[in-house]
Amino acid sequence: GAGVSQSPSNKVTEKGKDVELRCDPISGHTALYWYRQSLGQGLEFLIYFQGNSAPDKSGLPSDRFSAERTGGSVSTLTIQRTQQEDSAVYLCASSFQGASYNEQFFGPGTRLTVL
Amino acid sequence: ILNVEQSPQSLHVQEGDSTNFTCSFPSSNFYALHWYRWETAKSPEALFVMTLNGDEKKKGRISATLNTKEGYSYLYIKGSQPEDSATYLCASYNTDKLIFGTGTRLQVFP
Repeated sequence: GAGVSQSPSNKVTEKGKDVELRCDPISGHTALYWYRQSLGQGLEFLIYFQGNSAPDKSGLPSDRFSAERTGGSVSTLTIQRTQQEDSAVYLCASSFQGASYNEQFFGPGTRLTVL
Repeated sequence: ILNVEQSPQSLHVQEGDSTNFTCSFPSSNFYALHWYRWETAKSPEALFVMTLNGDEKKKGRISATLNTKEGYSYLYIKGSQPEDSATYLCASYNTDKLIFGTGTRLQVFP
């Protein structure tokens, strides 16, 4: 079956521009996560959606970052007024119900480069 | 502050060698420990999810153990092969979310 997909796979933008990253989770997965990996760093949690509950935004690094999930499926991560330190690989993952013992299925990531 | 630590940061071994690496995590409010393999240019893929103290899981030449009381997990690879080259990530589910370590980057030379 189809896995998690993300688009675009690569994005190069100029400092100060807004970008939108898209994630299509596996059908039927109620939990969706956004992470990022900056150069030399581990996977950093950004935001978590579970069903119709309010998202856990505790990992968003600043108010320039926001995310939404429409209809419990597709999610978009928006970064406003991008900065060079936003350059990273942004990964999306989904899991069935989001329980602690459910493995996460990752998308291929979006590599964002802010010039 | 929740910290998941992995060691070593990187590892180079010869084909056929067995190897192991460590993940340490907070033992309070612990629910599950995940191991993922992340190959270059691919997505991270789950290897194991473990929840119980003393759990031991195996998949082919790879196995993992879990000690929730002291907060550590070991990942073992027996007879490493070049295709095992990847970054191995562990992640601990404490309280309400999964927190990842920085990974162990394994390179297996033929």
